[in-house]
Amino acid sequence: NAGVMQNPRHLVRRRGQEARLRCSPMKGHSHVYWYRQLPEEGLKFMVYLQKENIIDESGMPKERFSAEFPKEGPSILRIQQVVRGDSAAYFCASSTPLSDTQYFGPGTRLTVL
Amino acid sequence: QQQVKQSPQSLIVQKGGISIINCAYENTAFDYFPWYQQFPGKGPALLIAIRPDVSEKKEGRFTISFNKSAKQFSLHIMDSQPGDSATYFCAASKLNDYKLSFGAGTTVTVRA
Repeated sequence: NAGVMQNPRHLVRRRGQEARLRCSPMKGHSHVYWYRQLPEEGLKFMVYLQKENIIDESGMPKERFSAEFPKEGPSILRIQQVVRGDSAAYFCASSTPLSDTQYFGPGTRLTVL
Repeated sequence: QQQVKQSPQSLIVQKGGISIINCAYENTAFDYFPWYQQFPGKGPALLIAIRPDVSEKKEGRFTISFNKSAKQFSLHIMDSQPGDSATYFCAASKLNDYKLSFGAGTTVTVRA
């Protein structure tokens, strides 16, 4: 019974490049959440998706960031033209419908040089 | 603005002692309060959670105390063990709004 899977675990990008982070939810989970954790800080909500729908993106920066959760395949968080301030750990969580309990993946640590 | 305030930022406790972490919130619409445990390089793992209709919930050595009128809740780790050394986050969410608001975290170090 695999948990939430994220890849890559570590990602290094140069300023101006694109970063793609992938998240496969737990089996049977159709809700996905993305959070960002800056060093020495708590997690900040970014976006909540269900299959083929963005439900709440109130925590997403207006520019350069996008997320999707297609009918088939993992959820993708995409950061275009990365800047040094994007360096952080990005966590994905998943849940079943109508459940408060979110299960987190191991995270992707993005470093922008 | 941070919707959930957590203290202390760090604490050190002797093996067998009690670790206490406190959280406070302002939004009375919050109705679900989980605690997560995070080890370095890992994702947060759900430890225990409570709703406002109860004042205390215990699971093993971990207890949540909830004070609705004061808008505060706390985590008590009894008989702390070196394996409990981790960062603990409190969080809160509103009914039918599943995004979690996290506290800033407390790093607990248990000395043998």
